[in-house]
Amino acid sequence: KNEVEQSPQNLTAQEGEFITINCSYSVGISALHWLQQHPGGGIVSLFMLSSGKKKHGRLIATINIQEKHSSLHITASHPRDSAVYICAVRRSGGYNKLIFGAGTRLAVHP
Amino acid sequence: NAGVTQTPKFQVLKTGQSMTLQCAQDMNHNSMYWYRQDPGMGLRLIYYSASEGTTDKGEVPNGYNVSRLNKREFSLRLESAAPSQTSVYFCASSESGTANSPLHFGNGTRLTVT
Repeated sequence: KNEVEQSPQNLTAQEGEFITINCSYSVGISALHWLQQHPGGGIVSLFMLSSGKKKHGRLIATINIQEKHSSLHITASHPRDSAVYICAVRRSGGYNKLIFGAGTRLAVHP
Repeated sequence: NAGVTQTPKFQVLKTGQSMTLQCAQDMNHNSMYWYRQDPGMGLRLIYYSASEGTTDKGEVPNGYNVSRLNKREFSLRLESAAPSQTSVYFCASSESGTANSPLHFGNGTRLTVT
């Protein structure tokens, strides 16, 4: 079993829909990252969080440390949100060596 | 600021050939990393450098070598390429290796080994 599992693997939405991507992990962590990879291939860091909730524009990331679970929400989705969203965790006490999920491929249609 | 710059963007090698992937960052970061990305799998760490002058193996170091040439540059070398090394390679950097250090990624190198 992978230490970081994301669901769903693929997601299709209509423009304007509310989207949720889930990440579950099985190890103790000091931080969790959400990353975005566009079709061109570049990877951008969206959020880094260790507790609670963070919001940036239409994106919201939450984490429940006790349940070892995080969610990424996109409100009022837009075709430009189409990308692969990647969850990654840093183990507690470890160096900055992240464990990555396989990603969720999101397609938002007009 | 250019951020993290990787070259080349694309490369095709024959089995047994060698090549070096170059990476440079202009953010004065201490830590640098090389990852590979394969279909259906998460990014996997090949090698990392916690600071200038140090390098350490990651999850999948076999078949690769690295050099932290100076604080800015961290190169990845394939001495004798194999088809199993066909992948997309990403270089990344962070200010430090601590929990509060976000990663900054390059745009990737798509390598095909035939």
